[in-house]
Amino acid sequence: DADVTQTPRNRITKTGKRIMLECSQTKGHDRMYWYRQDPGLGLRLIYYSFDVKDINKGEISDGYSVSRQAQAKFSLSLESAIPNQTALYFCATSDGQGPGEKLFFGSGTQLSVL
Amino acid sequence: SQQGEEDPQALSIQEGENATMNCSYKTSINNLQWYRQNSGRGLVHLILIRSNEREKHSGRLRVTLDTSKKSSSLLITASRAADTASYFCAPKETSGSRLTFGEGTQLTVNP
Repeated sequence: DADVTQTPRNRITKTGKRIMLECSQTKGHDRMYWYRQDPGLGLRLIYYSFDVKDINKGEISDGYSVSRQAQAKFSLSLESAIPNQTALYFCATSDGQGPGEKLFFGSGTQLSVL
Repeated sequence: SQQGEEDPQALSIQEGENATMNCSYKTSINNLQWYRQNSGRGLVHLILIRSNEREKHSGRLRVTLDTSKKSSSLLITASRAADTASYFCAPKETSGSRLTFGEGTQLTVNP
């Protein structure tokens, strides 16, 4: 089983719909992140959480919200989806142990907003 | 936030050749990490080099870091078709707590 699991893998929705992307991890890491990837723009950080009670905005949080339900679960919501939110979304985790920490990524959710 | 800038944007080579990708960044870093992404998949950590290191090896990978020039390079020796992927550098700011990523280098290794 994957250490960082994202569901769904693909989603097609219509403008204005509410969408939730889910991420769960079995690595026991405290830190979790949501990134989006667009062609030619690399990865951009949406939100991140260093523990269950700590939620922080990233570079592009407008139009998104998150919920850290437990150490292992971090959900990303689009309250009213719009076409320019069409992208590949990644969840990642890290252990936050010192400056050498590295990220572990899920397989991604391809979201298309029509 | 700190963001690495990879160069070139795209690189196409023949199997068996070496591939070199470069990364530049702007401010002081604690370490710099390289990641690989196969098409449509999540990023996978390859190697980390600390600010007090100049060179690091891992299998066919060689990473260098020049903090005076604020640059790093990733060399893949004896490339294989399976090395075809996008490669990202991620500088970790001295004062920062997050990793940021550039646009990556798309490497194509032709059989």
